[in-house]
Amino acid sequence: NAGVMQNPRHLVRRRGQEARLRCSPMKGHSHVYWYRQLPEEGLKFMVYLQKENIIDESGMPKERFSAEFPKEGPSILRIQQVVRGDSAAYFCASSLGGGWYGYTFGSGTRLTVV
Amino acid sequence: GQQLNQSPQSMFIQEGEDVSMNCTSSSIFNTWLWYKQDPGEGPVLLIALYKAGELTSNGRLTAQFGITRKDSFLNISASIPSDVGIYFCAGQLGNNAGNMLTFGGGTRLMVKP
Repeated sequence: NAGVMQNPRHLVRRRGQEARLRCSPMKGHSHVYWYRQLPEEGLKFMVYLQKENIIDESGMPKERFSAEFPKEGPSILRIQQVVRGDSAAYFCASSLGGGWYGYTFGSGTRLTVV
Repeated sequence: GQQLNQSPQSMFIQEGEDVSMNCTSSSIFNTWLWYKQDPGEGPVLLIALYKAGELTSNGRLTAQFGITRKDSFLNISASIPSDVGIYFCAGQLGNNAGNMLTFGGGTRLMVKP
């Protein structure tokens, strides 16, 4: 009974490259949330998705960032033309329904932009 | 946007001591949650609070949902070395107002054996 799986655990990108972060929710969970954590800070909400739909992207930067949760396969957070300020830990969480029940976090992807 | 002020930012205590940390908000939340994060890992839920005034325990942990719905505290009794980590409070509006969590800045707990 695997939990929320995120990969890669660590990702190093040069400035200007693209970063793709993957999140496989818990079995049976159809709601996915992405959060970003800067060093020494709490997590900040980015986007909430259900299968094939973006429900709330109020925390997403307007440019370079996009997210999807296709009918088949993992949710993807994509960051284009990365900059040093994108270096952070990105966490994915999933839930069974729209509330916080079963709101389980993955272990995160640590993105380092050099 | 909403902000949660969590204090203290860090604590260095002796094993066996009790610990108290709290969170305050300028906005009302319908759910308060307390998480622990170990280095290199995601947050793990410790306690969830759903009703104003609610007091809930989980082993040596006790948390309360403030009457005004704008604050919460977490107590850890008889601390042990494995309590070391960062503790976060989080609030959720829920219902149709949004399912995202708003996190505090964290309390870094260090326990001296």
